[in-house]
Amino acid sequence: GQQLNQSPQSMFIQEGEDVSMNCTSSSIFNTWLWYKQDPGEGPVLLIALYKAGELTSNGRLTAQFGITRKDSFLNISASIPSDVGIYFCAGLPNTGTASKLTFGTGTRLQVTL
Amino acid sequence: KAGVTQTPRYLIKTRGQQVTLSCSPISGHRSVSWYQQTPGQGLQFLFEYFSETQRNKGNFPGRFSGRQFSNSRSEMNVSTLELGDSALYLCASSLGIAIYNEQFFGPGTRLTVL
Repeated sequence: GQQLNQSPQSMFIQEGEDVSMNCTSSSIFNTWLWYKQDPGEGPVLLIALYKAGELTSNGRLTAQFGITRKDSFLNISASIPSDVGIYFCAGLPNTGTASKLTFGTGTRLQVTL
Repeated sequence: KAGVTQTPRYLIKTRGQQVTLSCSPISGHRSVSWYQQTPGQGLQFLFEYFSETQRNKGNFPGRFSGRQFSNSRSEMNVSTLELGDSALYLCASSLGIAIYNEQFFGPGTRLTVL
């Protein structure tokens, strides 16, 4: 099945550092979503983006919907140990149902003290 | 409000066996979707159910099947298990199937096929 290209694949950072990750697609999406998955759990929605160019924040997290509609970015500022997990981007086209959700390959984040 | 629950959480089977996984959606949610998550393929869509009807199906062989009951609970079945079926199977529920409905994921069932 189709997957979105997400980078980096993994990151090892120190507590307090800022984190950036991105997601690119060959297809245009009308909605971009960012999820976090903790070990042993399902993904949890962090941020939803609905408009090209949109910049949305959720606490220390900021995500942007790329102008081309083919990419999205997630930034985490001042990382803390509980930020550890796998971050997934996901895209939705403008038609169809929720089953059209396409996920990225994931970015595994490790935070060291 | 209770979240999405999946049972069992862990399962070990051998090749050739069959398995049934269960998902209880959030109360009031009528749509249930199933995903397979593996390290190599990531999250892949399996099925989507709404009002006891399968609305969409992903690109998986016929060994993978599912159903939804009148109370919106859903089950998926995998017959003639293969080693490659080892994965985390995630269920997600939403109010409806319209594209703007947020999906809430359960913790998953970890299936290991030996």
